[in-house]
This record gives sequence, C-alpha cells and structure tokens, in this order.
Amino acid sequence: EAQVTQNPRYLITVTGKKLTVTCSQNMNHEYMSWYRQDPGLGLRQIYYSMNVEVTDKGDVPEGYKVSRKEKRNFPLILESPSPNQTSLYFCASSRGPMNTEAFFGQGTRLTVV
Amino acid sequence: AQKVTQAQTEISVVEKEDVTLDCVYETRDTTYYLFWYKQPPSGELVFLIRRNSFDEQNEISGRYSWNFQKSTSSFNFTITASQVVDSAVYFCALSEALRSNYQLIWGAGTKLIIKP
Repeated sequence: EAQVTQNPRYLITVTGKKLTVTCSQNMNHEYMSWYRQDPGLGLRQIYYSMNVEVTDKGDVPEGYKVSRKEKRNFPLILESPSPNQTSLYFCASSRGPMNTEAFFGQGTRLTVV
Repeated sequence: AQKVTQAQTEISVVEKEDVTLDCVYETRDTTYYLFWYKQPPSGELVFLIRRNSFDEQNEISGRYSWNFQKSTSSFNFTITASQVVDSAVYFCALSEALRSNYQLIWGAGTKLIIKP
C-alpha cells in the first residue's frame, strides 16, 4: 500500500529538548516536504527536498532542520523547540514538485511546553 | 497578500442539502495548478482533485463537482446531497510554475459540518 508514515503521531515535549519527527514514503517519490498547520493559516511549508541530498527552505524554516540521506526518508529536526512550534505537522511526498498529487502522512501533533 | 482565499470559515447544513465551498486564488502565472484536499476529523489529508490552468472544464465525481472559472479566479467545490461523512475541513491550494520553492499555497480551510 502506497503511504507516507510519520512518527510519532503525538508528542509533548519541553522547551529546548531536541526532537526528531520521522517521515518515510514507499512510493519512490523524489519530492518530499514538511508543512505545519495552524488554525486560520492553512498549511505552510517548512522545508522541501527535490531529491537525495537536495533540500531547501520553505516559507517558515526558522527553528527547523531537515536531512535527506535516503530517498525514502525525510526527518524533521527541532534542535531547540519553543512553544511557538506547537503545531500539527505533515510530511508529504509526490512524484514531482508542482503539478502532481501530494500524499500526506497522518500528521504529528506537537506540543512544546 | 493571501493568494488563496477561502472566505467561508465554517458552514453548517442539514444532511441531503447541497453545499458549495468557495475558493478564490490570486496568481500572475499563466501556468498553475489548483487542488482540493479534504481533512476529516481523523486528521489526515486526502487528495480530491487537481486542475491545471489550461483546463477550464468543470468536473463531476459522484456527488462532488468543481467549477473552475479563470475569469473570476475561482475554483469552487460543490457537494450535492450532502452526507454526515462529508463533515471535514476542506482546503483549496495553488501551485505556481514560477515559484522557486515548489510548494502548495493553501487557503485557510473551510470547516463543513453536516448535521443528520
């Protein structure tokens, strides 16, 4: 079954404690991205990757890091989380960057206290 | 300036009513793509439709239909004979050829509540 898998689904952490949200896709997609969803704002792109070892910033990259060492995995790293990073996070993958259907993970609800 | 506007924050209708969700977009590109996604209460995002800027044909898929009008920069979504299972947040999104960061630009979403 084609899918994008994110872990964990829910996470409560404290300010400053480094965390990683994993994302893996089994569709051999080249393009992957991370979004955060906040009420009234829709989804905003954090980072994206067009292929292995190729990553770039989206609209709201501050406080986040990513890596793309393998095609299937695209982890999101928060080196020093802060309460304003409390949000719902989605990983997405697609065959191409612009005009193709994006497949989304189940979402990770992160709370930073 | 917001590029994708979903002016209806929340809509509530009784089951079996028809309902239209509005989406107005803004772009200077001649080549772009428009999308609708559904987010049910369980939280996942489900792809519904993609439409490119050169194809203004309306589309119907079962009880769902989409009306794309370039003249008014709108891409509205209608659910006919709504059902409780249609309750969800619906997002309209835009992808532009000239954007360098290859992202979907999302509207704020419309929460649709279908009452039994």
